[in-house]
Amino acid sequence: DTGVSQDPRHKITKRGQNVTFRCDPISEHNRLYWYRQTLGQGPEFLTYFQNEAQLEKSRLLSDRFSAERPKGSFSTLEIQRTEQGDSAMYLCASSPGLAETSYEQYFGPGTRLTVT
Amino acid sequence: AQKITQTQPGMFVQEKEAVTLDCTYDTSDPSYGLFWYKQPSSGEMIFLIYQGSYDQQNATEGRYSLNFQKARKSANLVISASQLGDSAMYFCAMDSNYQLIWGAGTKLIIKP
Repeated sequence: DTGVSQDPRHKITKRGQNVTFRCDPISEHNRLYWYRQTLGQGPEFLTYFQNEAQLEKSRLLSDRFSAERPKGSFSTLEIQRTEQGDSAMYLCASSPGLAETSYEQYFGPGTRLTVT
Repeated sequence: AQKITQTQPGMFVQEKEAVTLDCTYDTSDPSYGLFWYKQPSSGEMIFLIYQGSYDQQNATEGRYSLNFQKARKSANLVISASQLGDSAMYFCAMDSNYQLIWGAGTKLIIKP
């Protein structure tokens, strides 16, 4: 396995359009995370899955955002009616998460979204 | 509320010198983990080192070591013998309910 992958790497869209991003975690990892990173800032947590269950959602995740992990493998993040403020790097990460201990999260290359 | 503070927006260091990147944290959780990540200009977030709150010894990974001072709530990253390839953004993070809380980062530039 070559690590966490994300698709697409770049997305340019017009305001008001819907976009969907995909994340494929490391195959044996149970936990999957989505973060958003704006220029010059650290990432901000959006949501987290344990297998197929979405266990945590940030208040940053407005009702225009939805994330799924239907079979506990890959995940999708959809943004409806995009706004210019949605322009950011969207990072996906995964971790083993077999017990209630801290594990490092392995990050994908990110999807850079530009809303015009 | 959990918070990570990195007070150095940017640092310039001469190649081969050691460098310390500061990180302080705030949490009321009795058990937590602290992480350092490197983000080169390519954008990918690279895990460097981890320190658990109950670990007795400071973590080390090759040229990276974490100076963990629990009473001061600090978790500084030390890079020994810096290299040009160390130029990047460095983020300190803390886990909280399985998510990571991040600092604003420090931009490190290594001068030849």
